[in-house]
Formats: sequence, structure tokens, C-alpha cells
Amino acid sequence: ELKVEQNPLFLSMQEGKNYTIYCNYSTTSDRLYWYRQDPGKSLESLFVLLSNGAVKQEGRLMASLDTKARLSTLHITAAVHDLSATYFCAVDSGYGGATNKLIFGTGTLLAVQP
Amino acid sequence: DAGVIQSPRHEVTEMGQEVTLRCKPISGHDYLFWYRQTMMRGLELLIYFNNNVPIDDSGMPEDRFSAKMPNASFSTLKIQPSEPRDSAVYFCASSRGPGRGYTFGSGTRLTVV
Repeated sequence: ELKVEQNPLFLSMQEGKNYTIYCNYSTTSDRLYWYRQDPGKSLESLFVLLSNGAVKQEGRLMASLDTKARLSTLHITAAVHDLSATYFCAVDSGYGGATNKLIFGTGTLLAVQP
Repeated sequence: DAGVIQSPRHEVTEMGQEVTLRCKPISGHDYLFWYRQTMMRGLELLIYFNNNVPIDDSGMPEDRFSAKMPNASFSTLKIQPSEPRDSAVYFCASSRGPGRGYTFGSGTRLTVV
């Protein structure tokens, strides 16, 4: 059974600082997604990573995927308050022939302090 | 494109009552998913459909939960009878297919008292 773990669960950081959120998963998969959720809101798609070594960047966020290590990272550069939210990774439970069934991580609550 | 539309946005009901949540996926999306989100358990996949056919319902908690997708533009999640532990935010999501990601609806916040 696929398990997806994120760490840290909570991250308080100052504006202007850099940090990384980690997403580990337990079984082979080559499709991983990152989502953002603001308090009381729905989930918004950030990145789709579809192969080993994939790297995507949008603004101050950069995501990467290492399928051999079963690890994805979400790197935050020079954080700003607007990035405060909960970030989820989600992994497709299939490999090769993807199932399109996503298992979500526990989420990382990011609070950027001025 | 109006996105994934869920109704109602909020539902408060008494224990033992029947609750029906509704979802309209994005046109052209062949996959539809129902998730439940709670503080204790996070985001749990309840059931998903492909081309209106249920593919995996292993996440449905028990027989009190049922889901249907009578056509490509409508799905329901029903809880009968409802219990306080069913209180959660229920999200519907749709997708074009593997590798395309999901689009989530706004969610239904269910409170069972």
C-alpha cells in the first residue's frame, strides 16, 4: 500500500529565507503532484512531475522528483508572506501505466513571518 | 469553464439524517474523484470513477456511504444515516487522465450534530 509522508508538518519561516519541504513515498511511482491549499479553500495545482529528474519552477517555488530515491522536494526561495498556505504532495499509485489514483501526503503548513 | 461545481457549500444536519452531496465535473474530464478531508486523517480518497464507472471504492468507510455517477456531468455522494464522525470537508475533483492532474471543487463542509 502506497504511503506518502511529508516533512516538516509545520514550518514557520521568516520572509526572505529559503527552505525545502520533503515528500517521501513508499512504493515505485513516476508521477507526483504538488498542490497548495489556503485556509478554508480548495486545492490548487502547482506542479506536475512526470519523470525521474523532472524539475519545475514557478516564481519562488521549485519542485523536483527523484524516483529512485522516491523523493520529491519543494524548494522555497526568498519566502514572502503570500506563500503562507498548506502544501500537499500527491503520488500516483501506479507505475508505468498510471492509475490516476492519487494518494496525498499529510501536508506541510507554511507560515511566513514578516 | 466554470470548473468543478459542488453543492451545497455547507450542510448542517442531525445525526441519522440522509445527506446528499453533489458534483458537476469539468466537461471532457473522464475521471471523477471524491475525497474527504479532516484534521485527523488528512485527505482520503473515497471513490473514483472513469467514464462514469466506479473503479475503486476501497476508501468508502462503510455501507452508510454510497456514490453514483449516472452521467458524465453529475455525481452524488450519499451518507445514510449520517453520524457526527462523518463531519468533514468533502471534495470532488475531476481529471482528463493520468499525468494531467486534478481540478478540485470548492468542497462541501458537512457538520453532523
